[in-house]
Parts: sequence; C-alpha cells; structure tokens
Amino acid sequence: EPEVTQTPSHQVTQMGQEVILRCVPISNHLYFYWYRQILGQKVEFLVSFYNNEISEKSEIFDDQFSVERPDGSNFTLKIRSTKLEDSAMYFCASRATGAKMNYGYTFGSGTRLTVV
Amino acid sequence: AQTVTQSQPEMSVQEAETVTLSCTYDTSESDYYLFWYKQPPSRQMILVIRQEAYKQQNATENRFSVNFQKAAKSFSLKISDSQLGDAAMYFCAYREYGNKLVFGAGTILRVKS
Repeated sequence: EPEVTQTPSHQVTQMGQEVILRCVPISNHLYFYWYRQILGQKVEFLVSFYNNEISEKSEIFDDQFSVERPDGSNFTLKIRSTKLEDSAMYFCASRATGAKMNYGYTFGSGTRLTVV
Repeated sequence: AQTVTQSQPEMSVQEAETVTLSCTYDTSESDYYLFWYKQPPSRQMILVIRQEAYKQQNATENRFSVNFQKAAKSFSLKISDSQLGDAAMYFCAYREYGNKLVFGAGTILRVKS
C-alpha cells in the first residue's frame, strides 16, 4: 500500500535555528498538507498546498513557516527561527484527486521536533 | 468555523467487549465527510473508517462501525470484540468537500485483558 514518508523521524534543534522537515507524498496525489500535534493536544491544521501554491493556511502558519515542493517528489516544511513552543509532532498528509478525493488523507508517520 | 467535539477524554473496555466512542460536530453544510482516525503509541495517524454525509447507511469496516445521525450532528464509533491492539487515541475528524480536516480533541481507549 502506498505510503507517505517523512524524514527525519525525530529532530532536536536549538531555539532560533532553522529546521526543514521533509515529506514524500504518495506519487499520484496532488494535495498536500502539514498538521501539527503538540504533545497531549489535538491535531491542528497548518497549511494545504496544491498546484505549487498554498491553498489555505491557519493562524499558526505565520511568517516563520514556509512550504515548498522543490522537485516532483518532495514536500518540505521550513521553520525559520524555531521557538520552544514549536516543539510538536509534525504530520505530512496527501490526498488523491478525482473520484478518490473524498477519501481520508494518508498521513505520514510524523516528525517529532524538539526545540531546546 | 466548524468544530468537532469528543466529550470522552478516556474510555476503558474489557477485551472482547464492545465500546462506543462519541463525537459531535457543528456545521451549516449539508455535504461533508466524517472520519475516525486511530493514533497508537507510535503516534502514526491511521484511518479507521469514513462516512459521507449524503449516505444514510452507516459505514462498517470489520469490527468497526459508526452510528451517523445527521440531524443530531453525531458520529459515534463502535468497536466490537475489542482487542488489545485497539488501545490507542481515537480522533474524530470532519471535512467539507475539498477542504482541510478538523479534528476533535481525541479519546484515549484503554483495553483491559
């Protein structure tokens, strides 16, 4: 079964440093998403991406965040200057189009980001 | 804005028994989708079951079934013959056509042997 792959699985970074979280969505999916889950809390939407541009973003997704699809396979989330409160599990997800677009998303295994 | 409410922070069930997890949501739309996701200790998000709002028939996937009450905006998950591997956090989620998922706060399910 196709998978969404996220790397790294765990990243520790110092406050103020830039981090890039990487995702390889399912190959024939065209909608991509980033979600965040602070430990013990609900899963929150960050941003959606379609046709090489952001289609929707939440209030969390401020100027410190950016997304990019640098090639035909990778989808990245960059946090420019990390804060302690950015510590969370970050999930990438992708979704099909056409008749299959009504299915739920396929999520990656997540990247646990720890800011120290 | 759409909201999803899971009123049970934690539930317990005896192995082989049946448990029902509750979910309510708020929307003014008539066409949307509802999902239950399972998050085991590994924290991966696994789709358990989905329901299209236009379908009156409740979705079923093996031991998992839903009770979808559109007028009441209720979407509960029933797990039959509970197994130890069912222990996890369960999230109810809502999506309008083409849009993002909105999650509830989750219910921790503990399965006792």
